[in-house]
Amino acid sequence: GAVVSQHPSRVICKSGTSVKIECRSLDFQATTMFWYRQFPKQSLMLMATSNEGSKATYEQGVEKDKFLINHASLTLSTLTVTSAHPEDSSFYICSADRGRLSGELFFGEGSRLTVL
Amino acid sequence: KQEVTQIPAALSVPEGENLVLNCSFTDSAIYNLQWFRQDPGKGLTSLLLIQSSQREQTSGRLNASLDKSSGRSTLYIAASQPGDSATYLCAVVGFSGGYNKLIFGAGTRLAVHP
Repeated sequence: GAVVSQHPSRVICKSGTSVKIECRSLDFQATTMFWYRQFPKQSLMLMATSNEGSKATYEQGVEKDKFLINHASLTLSTLTVTSAHPEDSSFYICSADRGRLSGELFFGEGSRLTVL
Repeated sequence: KQEVTQIPAALSVPEGENLVLNCSFTDSAIYNLQWFRQDPGKGLTSLLLIQSSQREQTSGRLNASLDKSSGRSTLYIAASQPGDSATYLCAVVGFSGGYNKLIFGAGTRLAVHP
């Protein structure tokens, strides 16, 4: 099956710093990738849709300047949490659309961000 | 706006029981529906994918059904095992804003005890 890799899996940072999370599709090209955020014991909330070569589309309530998304190639999308604060601590998961008719999405293993 | 609801929110059963997890969605215009498993602190593992034209899918001890007209899906787990303990998430894919978007339910936390 299709493989999506996320890095890092865990990151701890100080308040005020910026953190970059990478999402890679390893064995397929993904024109579209999605970023989700998950709080403890809650479901995944879609943050933004990342489209290769163009600006990301953010969901309502998600700060564009806070969560910078770049989809520079067909296999890589990055999420940068800028000037992180403790309330940004969460589990971030990406998914990639292989683009086939099935519409099946493949997920990375997630990245646990802890802001001190 | 699509909303996905999962019932029950949590379930604790003894090993060997057959289980039914429920998922409902408000907008029947979906592309497909997926069931996922999530272990604590981990990513998602896709269990079953049902296309909108299909009524069910089976994989091992898992069977998922889809009734698109009524906005419902069920995940049936036969002969549950402690290793099945996890959170099960239901998600529907709809075409919105030019993309296939996946909208998740809150999940059912399953605990199977020996």
